[in-house]
Amino acid sequence: TQLLEQSPQFLSIQEGENLTVYCNSSSVFSSLQWYRQEPGEGPVLLVTVVTGGEVKKLKRLTFQFGDARKDSSLHITAAQPGDTGLYLCAGASGGSARQLTFGSGTQLTVLP
Amino acid sequence: KAGVTQTPRYLIKTRGQQVTLSCSPISGHRSVSWYQQTPGQGLQFLFEYFSETQRNKGNFPGRFSGRQFSNSRSEMNVSTLELGDSALYLCASSTDLVSYEQYFGPGTRLTVT
Repeated sequence: TQLLEQSPQFLSIQEGENLTVYCNSSSVFSSLQWYRQEPGEGPVLLVTVVTGGEVKKLKRLTFQFGDARKDSSLHITAAQPGDTGLYLCAGASGGSARQLTFGSGTQLTVLP
Repeated sequence: KAGVTQTPRYLIKTRGQQVTLSCSPISGHRSVSWYQQTPGQGLQFLFEYFSETQRNKGNFPGRFSGRQFSNSRSEMNVSTLELGDSALYLCASSTDLVSYEQYFGPGTRLTVT
């Protein structure tokens, strides 16, 4: 069974601060995705990283896939209250066991 | 394009009853997956359907079943409901066969009393 551990589980910061969320596994994934979920809604895909060492930027969000494709990080610069939500990483496995394994999530609260 | 729709949005059932949830994927998406989300267990994969065939199944008891129709719409059924089945049930559709990017619906909040 593939497991994805996310840390921290909860994060409460002031507007303007920077933060990093980590997603770690002992398994190799063919790709890794990050989602954000707001209350009462389903998760929304933010980014997919495929290549080991890949870095993608989405405005103030920077996503990195580890060289060995076992871990990933999400860095938010100058967080805003609109960034508040549950951040989920999800690893994709290929072959016959194709499915997404989701991390436990990081609940981020950005205070104005 | 319209997003993934799920009906109903909220449902209250009694232990022992059964329930059917419905999902309409994004037009053109042939893969539909179902997930259960609870505060304790997080988001867990139930099963995936592609072209009316179950292609993959998570680690859930046989009380959880699903099907997909020729228009890619999908239903999931839970029989003999238990209190622990109370959860947010999410449906997601996908067209990407490599990275499995999921487009989620808003979910059905099921409460079992």
